[in-house]
Amino acid sequence: EPEVTQTPSHQVTQMGQEVILRCVPISNHLYFYWYRQILGQKVEFLVSFYNNEISEKSEIFDDQFSVERPDGSNFTLKIRSTKLEDSAMYFCASSEGRNTEAFFGQGTRLTVV
Amino acid sequence: KNQVEQSPQSLIILEGKNCTLQCNYTVSPFSNLRWYKQDTGRGPVSLTIMTFSENTKSNGRYTATLDADTKQSSLHITASQLSDSASYICVVSAYDFGNEKLTFGTGTRLTIIP
Repeated sequence: EPEVTQTPSHQVTQMGQEVILRCVPISNHLYFYWYRQILGQKVEFLVSFYNNEISEKSEIFDDQFSVERPDGSNFTLKIRSTKLEDSAMYFCASSEGRNTEAFFGQGTRLTVV
Repeated sequence: KNQVEQSPQSLIILEGKNCTLQCNYTVSPFSNLRWYKQDTGRGPVSLTIMTFSENTKSNGRYTATLDADTKQSSLHITASQLSDSASYICVVSAYDFGNEKLTFGTGTRLTIIP
């Protein structure tokens, strides 16, 4: 069964460092998303991506964040200068289209120290 | 502001019993409502997705209902199993100028005990 895969599963980084979280969406999907979930809190939308551009982003997704689809298969989230409060589980998701099921990856647990 | 409220926050039931989880939302313009199951430390897994015209949808032992007039949804789990222990998240989708935005509820933490 096709699935969304994310790497790494866990990343520890020092405050101020750049991190790149990687995702391989399901191959025939056209819509891609990043979400985050701070421990014990609800899942929060970060950004959606369609047709090689950002279609929507939340207020969390500030200038420190960027997304890229560099090679037609990977979908990456970059955090330029990490802060302690960026520590969270980051989920990538993809879907075929509107009103269709979004499939989530297993997440990357980011710990900023 | 779009909001999704779920109740109860947590629930403990005996294996084999049924339960119903509630979701109320104020999301506009409404597109669809989804229920997800999330095991601890894992990504959410879709259970059902319902559009405006659908009142009920089943997926095995899970049955979701939607009342678009009162903006309420429920998820009924029949004959619970230990593996049903997880967080159940109600997610409502809105479309705004062609862009979809999902609003997540805080979830109901369900624990099934033998």
